[in-house]
Amino acid sequence: EVQLLESGGGLVQPGGSLRLSCAASGFSFSGSVMTWVRQAPGKGLEWVSTISDSARSTYYVESVRGRFIISRDNSKNTLNLRMNNLRAEDTAVYYCAKDRGGVCSGNSCHTCSQSWGQGTLVTVSS
Amino acid sequence: DIQMTQSPSTLSASVGDRVTITCRASQSINNWLAWYQQKPGKAPNLLIYKASNLESGVPSRFSGSGSGTEFTLTISSLQPDDFATYYCQQYNNYWTFGQGTKVEIK
Repeated sequence: EVQLLESGGGLVQPGGSLRLSCAASGFSFSGSVMTWVRQAPGKGLEWVSTISDSARSTYYVESVRGRFIISRDNSKNTLNLRMNNLRAEDTAVYYCAKDRGGVCSGNSCHTCSQSWGQGTLVTVSS
Repeated sequence: DIQMTQSPSTLSASVGDRVTITCRASQSINNWLAWYQQKPGKAPNLLIYKASNLESGVPSRFSGSGSGTEFTLTISSLQPDDFATYYCQQYNNYWTFGQGTKVEIK
């Protein structure tokens, strides 16, 4: 059974940093494209970042590019999201997701998110 | 950037109704479209991938169709468990979600 467990959320001041992690089990993590999606309170879903299975390719939504860094440790089955220079508009529940299977090339991996964690809340406020 | 527009934003329906949600892309996405269901306080659940393929374990009353820029999600006979918010997502060029359609009880 696929399991994804996010951690690292919490309250942080504007301009601060936070590191989210996602512990994965029950599938071939090193063979899977992984994604972060967020949802602001009462709002819709927003794709944030995706990383290829080998970590050679990374993708970011424009609003976080240059501030967030996605990474993975395939030896520990862990996905990470380093978030710097946080803003109030980054307040959201952050979900990690295992993608359905795809090969990353150009501007996409042509894969959608098949399995999701339960999310971790990040609140950016003074 | 590819924009995804869902309609309607809210839909009131009764158990047993046939329900259709539309998703329009700002440019062709070559059928790289997924549909998700989300219930309050829960993570999204993948229903349909590549526009018309039913994800394993999803009831057959859900179906997806369309191509190019216009896509639909149909629930053939709405069940009590189906009252939720539905999102489309393109994954042709980066990834973009629609704004969501809330299906509520009439």
